[in-house]
Amino acid sequence: KAGVTQTPRYLIKTRGQQVTLSCSPISGHRSVSWYQQTPGQGLQFLFEYFSETQRNKGNFPGRFSGRQFSNSRSEMNVSTLELGDSALYLCASSPLEIPETQYFGPGTRLLVL
Amino acid sequence: AQSVTQLGSHVSVSEGALVLLRCNYSSSVPPYLFWYVQYPNQGLQLLLKYTSAATLVKGINGFEAEFKKSETSFHLTKPSAHMSDAAEYFCAVSATGANSKLTFGKGITLSVRP
Repeated sequence: KAGVTQTPRYLIKTRGQQVTLSCSPISGHRSVSWYQQTPGQGLQFLFEYFSETQRNKGNFPGRFSGRQFSNSRSEMNVSTLELGDSALYLCASSPLEIPETQYFGPGTRLLVL
Repeated sequence: AQSVTQLGSHVSVSEGALVLLRCNYSSSVPPYLFWYVQYPNQGLQLLLKYTSAATLVKGINGFEAEFKKSETSFHLTKPSAHMSDAAEYFCAVSATGANSKLTFGKGITLSVRP
């Protein structure tokens, strides 16, 4: 099976812009989670989607949002970008039979100038 | 609530030496525990996981970890380090349940000297 794929891999934006990141889970996985990784804060949970519904949300401002489509693909959006949003954004998917186990994609590296 | 503590940010070992990366957790409910590895410019790869079955868990690439409830620890070991083991290692915890987020430690960078 193909792994989790994320597009784009690299992105450069300027402050105030918005950005949309995409994640395709492993075939058959219906749960998708998003994490932000920065040198200062480490890995932090953003949100989790299952069957197009947000099931869990981390402690991030409302500028961070996401959604999931009927084919389990997910997108996350960050509006009004700030310099501090520069990070590696990781997507992970989980299978129904072992929902506690998350498999990660390669990430999208976002640089905000 | 769950949390993970990984003491130290950097461990350096010689090739062929024992690798020991420490992880202590805090959890208000029975936890699931994980070790992930991250190579430069890549995502996270699952090394092994503990989900309340055997307390000694074997993972990929010769790594293993032992769950010790009395010590709230889940240390990662490998008998003999290889140059290819140089990477960043993350311990993570989640609560039992289907929709539980992972809470990560700050990570440990492992260097392997020739």
